[in-house]
Amino acid sequence: QKEVEQNSGPLSVPEGAIASLNCTYSDRGSQSFFWYRQYSGKSPELIMFIYSNGDKEDGRFTAQLNKASQYVSLLIRDSQPSDSATYLCAVRDDKIIFGKGTRLHILP
Amino acid sequence: GAGVSQSPSNKVTEKGKDVELRCDPISGHTALYWYRQSLGQGLEFLIYFQGNSAPDKSGLPSDRFSAERTGGSVSTLTIQRTQQEDSAVYLCASSLAGGSEGRATDTQYFGPGTRLTVL
Repeated sequence: QKEVEQNSGPLSVPEGAIASLNCTYSDRGSQSFFWYRQYSGKSPELIMFIYSNGDKEDGRFTAQLNKASQYVSLLIRDSQPSDSATYLCAVRDDKIIFGKGTRLHILP
Repeated sequence: GAGVSQSPSNKVTEKGKDVELRCDPISGHTALYWYRQSLGQGLEFLIYFQGNSAPDKSGLPSDRFSAERTGGSVSTLTIQRTQQEDSAVYLCASSLAGGSEGRATDTQYFGPGTRLTVL
């Protein structure tokens, strides 16, 4: 059974600090990796995707991929209260599988 | 442009009744997924359609659940003899491609979901 694991949280981070979200996956054949954000009562929306080892930056967000260790992380710099949401990690092999998500709470 | 649409937005039904949930993906998207999300839980994969290939039904929880995709576009998820544990938000997502060459094209666009309540 292919699995995507995330700490459910909640992860509480002071406003302005860096939030670090982690995800591990079981299938070494996984090819593409995604981070989605889901606000309460809303549908998930894409933040970033990454498929090469290393870092990928987009504004305040940085995705980090380490295929050898089978983890992918998301860093949010200068955290804002509006970043408070559930962050879902998704991994693609023959289909896309989601983790259960990490609840992030930015403390004003 | 138009995003993924789902109907109905809310459905209340009685235990034992059948329900049909509809998903209209983004035009041109070949991949279509159905997920279920219970309150406070993650996304549970149900079924995946990719082009003309046989669907991946490995996530369907029981034989009461079925789905079809007509003409490579609209999809219908059918739940027969609904049970109270079927109550959840059913989300549909589509992406441009689903093959191994896809990366950015794997990006899923979600519909607003159908909230199903089984009394």
